[in-house]
Amino acid sequence: DTGVSQDPRHKITKRGQNVTFRCDPISEHNRLYWYRQTLGQGPEFLTYFQNEAQLEKSRLLSDRFSAERPKGSFSTLEIQRTEQGDSAMYLCATDETGTGGTEAFFGQGTRLTVV
Amino acid sequence: QQQVKQSPQSLIVQKGGISIINCAYENTAFDYFPWYQQFPGKGPALLIAIRPDVSEKKEGRFTISFNKSAKQFSLHIMDSQPGDSATYFCAASMRVQGAQKLVFGQGTRLTINP
Repeated sequence: DTGVSQDPRHKITKRGQNVTFRCDPISEHNRLYWYRQTLGQGPEFLTYFQNEAQLEKSRLLSDRFSAERPKGSFSTLEIQRTEQGDSAMYLCATDETGTGGTEAFFGQGTRLTVV
Repeated sequence: QQQVKQSPQSLIVQKGGISIINCAYENTAFDYFPWYQQFPGKGPALLIAIRPDVSEKKEGRFTISFNKSAKQFSLHIMDSQPGDSATYFCAASMRVQGAQKLVFGQGTRLTINP
């Protein structure tokens, strides 16, 4: 257990429905990242927050996706009008910089299946 | 230029053997090269990482070899064990505005036969 908690672990939804995922980071980490991982591929960067500010969004993050991190604590990722192509594992990661470098800690992920 | 290419896609090694996974990158601005291990249904977990100012880093049975001029790095797993069977991802990143956005390779599914 890395200390990064994601909820739910699994979500099955019908095409066109909205879904929301939650990530609770390691408390002292001020940077939080969202990644998407499709089957058989490596994770791909979606967006990141420094405290409550969303500082970068990937072009993978279409207008149907929105992420928030109120008060710089937990974060939510919402997908509106889900499509079958949104089926993937959504991973949250947090990091800190120490004297030896940066280590990103990943949560267990939320596996989304759109039917 | 942001890609990280990983090979092989899958690898089968006998117990006690050496597992070798290779990665190549293009962006010379990358300054951090971690390897992640992922078991089915779990998130990636950091295994070992290296910065380009060293050519090799060893932690237990795991070694990263780094060739800056060739823009390549590799993971060696010595005395491979069945418990090492997992998917391994190399990654690369550079610090931008304080953040390290990871670019992952495609992954290698490693199977260690008992």
